[in-house]
Amino acid sequence: TQLLEQSPQFLSIQEGENLTVYCNSSSVFSSLQWYRQEPGEGPVLLVTVVTGGEVKKLKRLTFQFGDARKDSSLHITAAQPGDTGLYLCAGARGTNYGQNFVFGPGTRLSVLP
Amino acid sequence: EADIYQTPRYLVIGTGKKITLECSQTMGHDKMYWYQQDPGMELHLIHYSYGVNSTEKGDLSSESTVSRIRTEHFPLTLESARPSHTSQYLCASSELRKGQTYEQYFGPGTRLTVT
Repeated sequence: TQLLEQSPQFLSIQEGENLTVYCNSSSVFSSLQWYRQEPGEGPVLLVTVVTGGEVKKLKRLTFQFGDARKDSSLHITAAQPGDTGLYLCAGARGTNYGQNFVFGPGTRLSVLP
Repeated sequence: EADIYQTPRYLVIGTGKKITLECSQTMGHDKMYWYQQDPGMELHLIHYSYGVNSTEKGDLSSESTVSRIRTEHFPLTLESARPSHTSQYLCASSELRKGQTYEQYFGPGTRLTVT
């Protein structure tokens, strides 16, 4: 059973288009993180959201944490080929000392020039 | 910038061999993790450590073992490699950030192929 689901699984768009990907769960998380992973490399942390309803911006990327801290979205404005990659969300669970992370299956984004 | 290293980056080895995947971090993080990731699939936690001499098994059952004798070092060992162990192995460490949440930093991974 997937604790975290991501949609869409695959997305191919043209340069300059906008897109939104989603991360959903029936569980509440103390925080949620978004990563981008290139083929053959480890995931690179993009952002951490902690508070329900929180919105964070990273250049053309906008991240939102759901009010109930069960879901999140990532919106990219004017996508560029450099945005191509696997976008992973990860929910943190447990106490501050014993916190572990559960990952979603990812959204594979391809931005065509 | 995260300073977490994994060696080797690629390893092709025959069935039955003993292997150790190395992971080191220079950030002084207490918490370290090992994940397994098959191509196009999600990461699965196989081991974690909250500090020296602390190791726990993760969500995904694994025949591998880990040790944490030093803060900066978290090696993973397979006593007898099998083709089913073929996968990418990712090491991560984490620190407590403001807002009382941990952020993970990943190494580049080791792609293991067992023939």
